[in-house]
Amino acid sequence: DTGVSQDPRHKITKRGQNVTFRCDPISEHNRLYWYRQTLGQGPEFLTYFQNEAQLEKSRLLSDRFSAERPKGSFSTLEIQRTEQGDSAMYLCASVDSSETQYFGPGTRLLVL
Amino acid sequence: AQTVTQSQPEMSVQEAETVTLSCTYDTSESDYYLFWYKQPPSRQMILVIRQEAYKQQNATENRFSVNFQKAAKSFSLKISDSQLGDAAMYFCAYRSLPNSNFGNEKLTFGTGTRLTIIP
Repeated sequence: DTGVSQDPRHKITKRGQNVTFRCDPISEHNRLYWYRQTLGQGPEFLTYFQNEAQLEKSRLLSDRFSAERPKGSFSTLEIQRTEQGDSAMYLCASVDSSETQYFGPGTRLLVL
Repeated sequence: AQTVTQSQPEMSVQEAETVTLSCTYDTSESDYYLFWYKQPPSRQMILVIRQEAYKQQNATENRFSVNFQKAAKSFSLKISDSQLGDAAMYFCAYRSLPNSNFGNEKLTFGTGTRLTIIP
């Protein structure tokens, strides 16, 4: 499968715990995006990378959130000290040369 | 900042009929991209169709076509010969050109339209 993959697909955690999600983009895509989608809403931009450089972060990305893309390939999104308001679907997308974003299946997070 | 508005939270259509989903947007940019994405229940988001604002010709992809009205900032999606597999949330999205002065290469999404297909 050459699409965008995300792991895990589902995560249930207790409030205050740390969680980390992984995204593997399509291999030839050098730009990678993270979005958050809450129930009944469209995805909202969190951050994006060009290769290993994090070029923009949304105000939604509080200091409890950190994202990395150490070698310009896969990316991780970590949430520290999770809160119930962090419950959402976290989507990753990579971009091809035509500026089209291809989305992964998402990681659904539930914070109890 | 750019905004995208989808004023129809839900739509339904009889199988084999045609349905049009509405989208309007607000921007001060003269050139940009517009997209329609489909998100089936519990499945990932997939691209339906895209439009470059500098192209006057409306994009088409098989049964899917758009009506792009740049002056009115309107970008509606028409689905012809609706099929059961078309049932999904449909999101309209906007993005700036890469390396524009505005610096935002993210997608800005509307709130979506849930499309139900009636057999």
